[in-house]
Amino acid sequence: LAKTTQPISMDSYEGQEVNITCSHNNIATNDYITWYQQFPSQGPRFIIQGYKTKVTNEVASLFIPADRKSSTLSLPRVSLSDTAVYYCLVDPLYGQNFVFGPGTRLSVLP
Amino acid sequence: DAGVTQSPTHLIKTRGQHVTLRCSPISGHKSVSWYQQVLGQGPQFIFQYYEKEERGRGNFPDRFSARQFPNYSSELNVNALLLGDSALYLCASSSGAQETQYFGPGTRLLVL
Repeated sequence: LAKTTQPISMDSYEGQEVNITCSHNNIATNDYITWYQQFPSQGPRFIIQGYKTKVTNEVASLFIPADRKSSTLSLPRVSLSDTAVYYCLVDPLYGQNFVFGPGTRLSVLP
Repeated sequence: DAGVTQSPTHLIKTRGQHVTLRCSPISGHKSVSWYQQVLGQGPQFIFQYYEKEERGRGNFPDRFSARQFPNYSSELNVNALLLGDSALYLCASSSGAQETQYFGPGTRLLVL
C-alpha cells in the first residue's frame, strides 16, 4: 500500500502562496495522486489530480517530480476561506486500498 | 447535476444494533466507495463497488458489509454496533478506474 506523509499543520497569511508537500515513497507505477480539501463536518472536495510533472487548474497547481515519490500542492494567494484540512491520496487501480494520509490542517490568518 | 447524496444525515444508535446507510452516486457514475472518518483523522477506506461487484475492501471486520444496486446506488450495513463505530461515513462516486472520486456530505453516526 502506498502510504502518504504530510505536515500536520501549516499557517499562512492572506494573499500568500502556500505549498503543501506529500511524500509517497512506495507509489506504484499506475497510481495517480489526488488532493482534496475538507471543511469540518463536510465531505472532502476534489482539488486536483495528476500523474507526473505539473498540472494546473483554476484553483491550484500540482507538482510531481520525475521519481513521483512526492508531490506538492500549490495554492496561490490564499484567503481566509482556504482554512481547511488538505489530504493527499494515492489512487490505485481497482481492487486495492485507497489510502488517505492524516491530512494537513492549513490555517490562513488575516 | 446533483452531486453524491447520502441518507440519513445524522443517526443515533445503541451498542449491538444494526444500521444501514444509503448513497446515491452522481448520474452516470458506476463506482461507489465507502469511507469511515473518525474525528480528527483522515478517511479510512471500507469498500469499493463497480458495476455491482466488490472491487476493493479495506481493513474492517465482517460486521461491515455493502452492496450496489442495478441503479448504482449503494448501501453500507454495519451489524453489532460498537462505540468505536461512531464516525462520519462518507460515500464517493466515480465514473471509472482512477477517475476522480466525488464525495457526498456524509452520514454522522453516533453509537451510545
